[in-house]
Amino acid sequence: GIQVEQSPPDLILQEGANSTLRCNFSDSVNNLQWFHQNPWGQLINLFYIPSGTKQNGRLSATTVATERYSLLYISSSQTTDSGVYFCAAITGGGNKLTFGTGTQLKVEL
Amino acid sequence: NAGVTQTPKFQVLKTGQSMTLQCAQDMNHEYMSWYRQDPGMGLRLIHYSVGAGITDQGEVPNGYNVSRSTTEDFPLRLLSAAPSQTSVYFCASSYRGYPSGANVLTFGAGSRLTVL
Repeated sequence: GIQVEQSPPDLILQEGANSTLRCNFSDSVNNLQWFHQNPWGQLINLFYIPSGTKQNGRLSATTVATERYSLLYISSSQTTDSGVYFCAAITGGGNKLTFGTGTQLKVEL
Repeated sequence: NAGVTQTPKFQVLKTGQSMTLQCAQDMNHEYMSWYRQDPGMGLRLIHYSVGAGITDQGEVPNGYNVSRSTTEDFPLRLLSAAPSQTSVYFCASSYRGYPSGANVLTFGAGSRLTVL
């Protein structure tokens, strides 16, 4: 099956800093999503982005499908951005969403 | 409130006991799935369903059974619990099976299971 790798595994930022999280995948994908898991465990979808660029407030994401990677940008980080960020992908015509192991982000005052 | 509801939130079992984790959604979603989350391993798909009466295995199905008799419910059964099944379990649903881009996953709050 598809392999999904995320980097860095851990990241500590000062409030107001910017960051870039990376997701590499081993095969071409037709579904790529980013999720945020808050410190209380709740998982929220951030983006559906199998290709191209999308923006939502301080967050944006870019997927370069031909090079098999996706980037999540967080600008002007806030303490509420803390948590784990996951990317997940599906290849081919399947229904199995495979998750990466996540990036643990901590934003400090 | 609309969404995905999981029960129980916490459960402690002894090895060999059986139990069912319940998952219900009220959004008329066709696609439902179960994941387990273990430290350092992300979320791994256990079983999924693309509609009532249809289920399929995910990445780690051994030790778990599912059924989908209604659109709303997708219970996960542990027939004989083992310590390796200690984990946090998440149920998730979407309106239609993949790969349609409009149908992102909505997750439940999770169920923390400990097997002694």
